[in-house]
Amino acid sequence: GAVVSQHPSRVICKSGTSVKIECRSLDFQATTMFWYRQFPKQSLMLMATSNEGSKATYEQGVEKDKFLINHASLTLSTLTVTSAHPEDSSFYICSASQTGPGAFFGQGTRLTVV
Amino acid sequence: SQQGEEDPQALSIQEGENATMNCSYKTSINNLQWYRQNSGRGLVHLILIRSNEREKHSGRLRVTLDTSKKSSSLLITASRAADTASYFCATVSYQAGTALIFGKGTTLSVSS
Repeated sequence: GAVVSQHPSRVICKSGTSVKIECRSLDFQATTMFWYRQFPKQSLMLMATSNEGSKATYEQGVEKDKFLINHASLTLSTLTVTSAHPEDSSFYICSASQTGPGAFFGQGTRLTVV
Repeated sequence: SQQGEEDPQALSIQEGENATMNCSYKTSINNLQWYRQNSGRGLVHLILIRSNEREKHSGRLRVTLDTSKKSSSLLITASRAADTASYFCATVSYQAGTALIFGKGTTLSVSS
């Protein structure tokens, strides 16, 4: 079946630094990728939707300058958390879709900012 | 904003019992999906039910959908300790294109 690979699975970074998270669709071309954030014991919140070759669409309340999304190819999207702060510590999950709803999820990245 | 609301938020049962979780949503949908998440892990897709379907089965899972009430239920029969996880319903957001919008989830604990 389709596989979405997300890397890294865990990352610890210092406050003020930037972290890049990669999301790859391994055996299909993902025209659309989605990025979600999940705080402990809470649900997944959609952060942004990215289409290959165009700017991402951010959900209300998500700072586009802080969470940079690049969807440069049909198999790769990246999320960069810039100038990370402890409150950005969270579980970030990507989802990739060819058509229809994104049923293929990455395994998630646990970001801890110290 | 979140689309779905699951209840109960937490459910504790014994092995062998059935577990029922409910999900309500706000806007029109073309399908509703249930996912499972083990603590701190990624999501596992369980089942998808389309808006023109009323019930669907997959192994020990039974999902119902009532579009008039904008609600769905997930029934896990003969639960096992390995079913312990959080369960989320998700719907397609027309506002966000084809993104899935998740409810708050139900945390299921199955004790042996």
